Amino acid sequence: AQSVTQLDSHVSVSEGTPVLLRCNYSSSYSPSLFWYVQHPNKGLQLLLKYTSAATLVKGINGFEAEFKKSETSFHLTKPSAHMSDAAEYFCVVSGGYNKLIFGAGTRLAVHP
Amino acid sequence: SAVISQKPSRDICQRGTSLTIQCQVDSQVTMMFWYRQQPGQSLTLIATANQGSEATYESGFVIDKFPISRPNLTFSTLTVSNMSPEDSSIYLCSVDPGQSNYGYTFGSGTRLTVV
Repeated sequence: AQSVTQLDSHVSVSEGTPVLLRCNYSSSYSPSLFWYVQHPNKGLQLLLKYTSAATLVKGINGFEAEFKKSETSFHLTKPSAHMSDAAEYFCVVSGGYNKLIFGAGTRLAVHP
Repeated sequence: SAVISQKPSRDICQRGTSLTIQCQVDSQVTMMFWYRQQPGQSLTLIATANQGSEATYESGFVIDKFPISRPNLTFSTLTVSNMSPEDSSIYLCSVDPGQSNYGYTFGSGTRLTVV
């Protein structure tokens, strides 16, 4: 069975500093992995996805994630945080039959 | 990627009543999904809706409580029946990306409050 664990429920950074949101997954086969962002009172927006191509995936708004099979991780990073990055971030693994399994979410706060 | 129109965006309902949520997609899609996001929680899949067949429900969700219709390849509804305050959540629909290289697209959600 597939599962995903987001290691931090809250992350707080200063504007202009790097962002690291951690995600570990469990899958019995090569998974598809996604990061989604949810701004307050907004819908879900896809940041990036991994589907067994390049292990370093570049997404929108300067975010990227690296798939590390040996560590079963798919951490999300950004070199320099912006105030507009404050939101809830979800790491997602695709289970069987197109089912998406969401992590618990990480709330990112960005301080001036 | 597909564009999804979901409505209503929010509603406040009396307990014991029912609410039907609609999702309209701008292109034909094979599979549509319904999720629930309880306050402060992550998303949980309720069911998968395929056109021309019964929806497939996840553990903990039943058709009597969450009946789903999928009359064609661009539209689906989810009804929350006999509501109680515990049903207060955000409900979202989603579609599979098909052959596109994009990820799953989500509707903007329906924020339901049951009083």
